[in-house]
Amino acid sequence: GEDVEQSLFLSVREGDSSVINCTYTDSSSTYLYWYKQEPGAGLQLLTYIFSNMDMKQDQRLTVLLNKKDKHLSLRIADTQTGDSAIYFCAESIFGNTGFQKLVFGTGTRLLVSP
Amino acid sequence: DTGVSQDPRHKITKRGQNVTFRCDPISEHNRLYWYRQTLGQGPEFLTYFQNEAQLEKSRLLSDRFSAERPKGSFSTLEIQRTEQGDSAMYLCASTPSGETQYFGPGTRLLVL
Repeated sequence: GEDVEQSLFLSVREGDSSVINCTYTDSSSTYLYWYKQEPGAGLQLLTYIFSNMDMKQDQRLTVLLNKKDKHLSLRIADTQTGDSAIYFCAESIFGNTGFQKLVFGTGTRLLVSP
Repeated sequence: DTGVSQDPRHKITKRGQNVTFRCDPISEHNRLYWYRQTLGQGPEFLTYFQNEAQLEKSRLLSDRFSAERPKGSFSTLEIQRTEQGDSAMYLCASTPSGETQYFGPGTRLLVL
């Protein structure tokens, strides 16, 4: 089945680390993604990880993948007020014609307070 | 700006009217996707084009919806006889290879 789950809300103080968690169901997913959406805007690709990796670091962002448990997390170090947004986890699923589509979670709203 | 662009950004229409949205993908991206995002939810896949060929449509895409990509560049999404349940953000994404999809700013539709 296609199902991606995320917690709905996370609140942190500026300067703290934020950890956003996600679970997915399709074990054949080749890539897993994190997107950021600010109010009224489209989705901004933050980072992605190939399914044969267990960690990827990109500046303040660290992605951890536990393929056995189908668990993905995004850690944001030194969280800033500008990081306040909705964060979506997505897995890639092969469609009927062999293309890859994205299946998104419901998003985690991150609120960073000064 | 060489990103994905969408037009219009906002559309308000009355129930029963037809609307058409346009998406211009990143140049030379041969794969184009449409997604729909309702309030409080993540985007849901609607349809996919490889060049001008529409290769897959979601069950979410009823007969009132039609999408085209006539020359393999820009794409249009038309909704006929709009209903209030069609109110959503319509997102377009493009990719050269399928690994990473780059999204446009979306068209927000409100059906009164």
